Amino acid sequence: AQSVTQLGSHVSVSEGALVLLRCNYSSSVPPYLFWYVQYPNQGLQLLLKYTTGATLVKGINGFEAEFKKSETSFHLTKPSAHMSDAAEYFCAVIIPTSYDKVIFGPGTSLSVIP
Amino acid sequence: GAVVSQHPSRVICKSGTSVKIECRSLDFQATTMFWYRQFPKQSLMLMATSNEGSKATYEQGVEKDKFLINHASLTLSTLTVTSAHPEDSSFYICSAGTGQTGTEAFFGQGTRLTVV
Repeated sequence: AQSVTQLGSHVSVSEGALVLLRCNYSSSVPPYLFWYVQYPNQGLQLLLKYTTGATLVKGINGFEAEFKKSETSFHLTKPSAHMSDAAEYFCAVIIPTSYDKVIFGPGTSLSVIP
Repeated sequence: GAVVSQHPSRVICKSGTSVKIECRSLDFQATTMFWYRQFPKQSLMLMATSNEGSKATYEQGVEKDKFLINHASLTLSTLTVTSAHPEDSSFYICSAGTGQTGTEAFFGQGTRLTVV
């Protein structure tokens, strides 16, 4: 069965510091990988995705993630945290042939300290 | 990108009543739609997969008689929470796929259901 794990349910960084949110997946076939952000009382916003091609993908708001097949990881980074980055972040996968069924990780709550 | 519209965004209902949530794909045909539930401070859990013209497939532990799903057309799926109770209060969100494997899923804005 496919699964997604996110190390650290809560991450706190100082404004201007590096943001690193970890994501590992388990799948019998190479999945497509996504990061979503959710602000309080709002829906989901797609940050970035990896399907094929270049393993380092850039997304919105300065975020990027690198797919490492050997490590089954897809960690999310941002060089310099901004107060507006405080939100819940979900790593997710779509298994090819699943007709776009998304499997979510447990989420990481990011706090940014001024 | 493709747009999915979910309505209503918020609803409050009395215990014992039923509530219908609509999920529409506005600019594409969605052969498959998915319904998720999110409890406070938790992740999104898949409730069911809705296929146009056929019965929905429910995940283990989801009561199909309580959460009625109808996917009558290629652009509309509905979730009806029947005989709602306070424990059904949650954030419900739908997603739609274009049917092409490997594409991203497109999410609705979500519905905050509060049962009083």
